[in-house]
Amino acid sequence: ETGVTQSPTHLIKTRGQQVTLRCSSQSGHNTVSWYQQALGQGPQFIFQYYREEENGRGNFPPRFSGLQFPNYSSELNVNALELDDSALYLCASSRDSSRTEAFFGQGTRLTVV
Amino acid sequence: KNEVEQSPQNLTAQEGEFITINCSYSVGISALHWLQQHPGGGIVSLFMLSSGKKKHGRLIATINIQEKHSSLHITASHPRDSAVYICAASSMEYGNKLVFGAGTILRVKS
Repeated sequence: ETGVTQSPTHLIKTRGQQVTLRCSSQSGHNTVSWYQQALGQGPQFIFQYYREEENGRGNFPPRFSGLQFPNYSSELNVNALELDDSALYLCASSRDSSRTEAFFGQGTRLTVV
Repeated sequence: KNEVEQSPQNLTAQEGEFITINCSYSVGISALHWLQQHPGGGIVSLFMLSSGKKKHGRLIATINIQEKHSSLHITASHPRDSAVYICAASSMEYGNKLVFGAGTILRVKS
């Protein structure tokens, strides 16, 4: 039990639709990072939020966006879904963005058809 | 070349065997993480280390900063150790975001 929960656990969407994935972090964890993990690959960094502001972004297009809320929850939004967006989406939270342990959620398995 | 490379990609072992998974990285790091991922996706942090060696139960993680290399060892392996093991670098070059290796798929047979 990491104290980080993600919802939903599984989701099927149609190409072109929009999706919102949610992550609830531990209290006091000011940093949340989102990762995309395609089948058979390691996770790839999407972006990080620190105290409700974006604090770094990986090589993902603008249709991937996020929000972080004061209650330590966050969202990942993906617009205009493409088939290649099918993946496991992981969020990880930590107390700050430096050398502290990250706690991962169970992930949301998104399938785009 | 990936910034974090793991080997082997796949590993099958007999129950009781000593297992080593290797990780090499090319970025400057503030810490190196070893993670375990079971089928279904959830990731559990096993170790976070920046120098030396850490031990937890049958798991041992070592890191050599000069050689930019880390190893994860499992002693007396058990079928329940079967999982994907991922090393990830907290990269100073990317503001301490995690850069992941591709993972090592471990299967321990009884």
